[in-house]
Amino acid sequence: DQQVKQNSPSLSVQEGRISILNCDYTNSMFDYFLWYKKYPAEGPTFLISISSIKDKNEDGRFTVFLNKSAKHLSLHIVPSQPGDSAVYFCAASGSGGSYIPTFGRGTSLIVHP
Amino acid sequence: KAGVTQTPRYLIKTRGQQVTLSCSPISGHRSVSWYQQTPGQGLQFLFEYFSETQRNKGNFPGRFSGRQFSNSRSEMNVSTLELGDSALYLCASAGGGPNSPLHFGNGTRLTVT
Repeated sequence: DQQVKQNSPSLSVQEGRISILNCDYTNSMFDYFLWYKKYPAEGPTFLISISSIKDKNEDGRFTVFLNKSAKHLSLHIVPSQPGDSAVYFCAASGSGGSYIPTFGRGTSLIVHP
Repeated sequence: KAGVTQTPRYLIKTRGQQVTLSCSPISGHRSVSWYQQTPGQGLQFLFEYFSETQRNKGNFPGRFSGRQFSNSRSEMNVSTLELGDSALYLCASAGGGPNSPLHFGNGTRLTVT
């Protein structure tokens, strides 16, 4: 049973527009959420995180929003750039006191010039 | 600081054989985790080592094992390889507190024929 779900396998966006990547989770014990970005032939790299005590965290062009009641988080990229084209993984931790993150299956973002 | 180094990058093995993958974490990082990535399955957690002890374990069969050395370097072993073991195996190290982001290596691509 998937505890972290990224229901959109892919997303296509025009350069300069907003990219919104979504993630849902089922385990209410999760209290820390992270986004990682992965380019082909490379390992994932950490992008941004948010604690469950917050509902928004911003870092430059990247903003993560958390809606605890809906068990939903989203990553906004504004403005999107072709170099943002990558697979984005949502991850959650904190269930049962464990900080080992549970990952979603990823969303492939393509930003067209 | 040098990043996480995984060797080899590519490996081709035959069913029934065994394989050992190696990971050198970022200097100073004592936690090393291993993940399996297969198409459409995201990152599946294998196990985590801290100070030479397995601290967490995912839901993989006993054919998958690992160890960590006193210098924090880690190895992962898969015995009696099956076709379904073909995947990208990622190692990640972490330092700092419980929610410190993982730093991933570029992975070892294992193909079982």
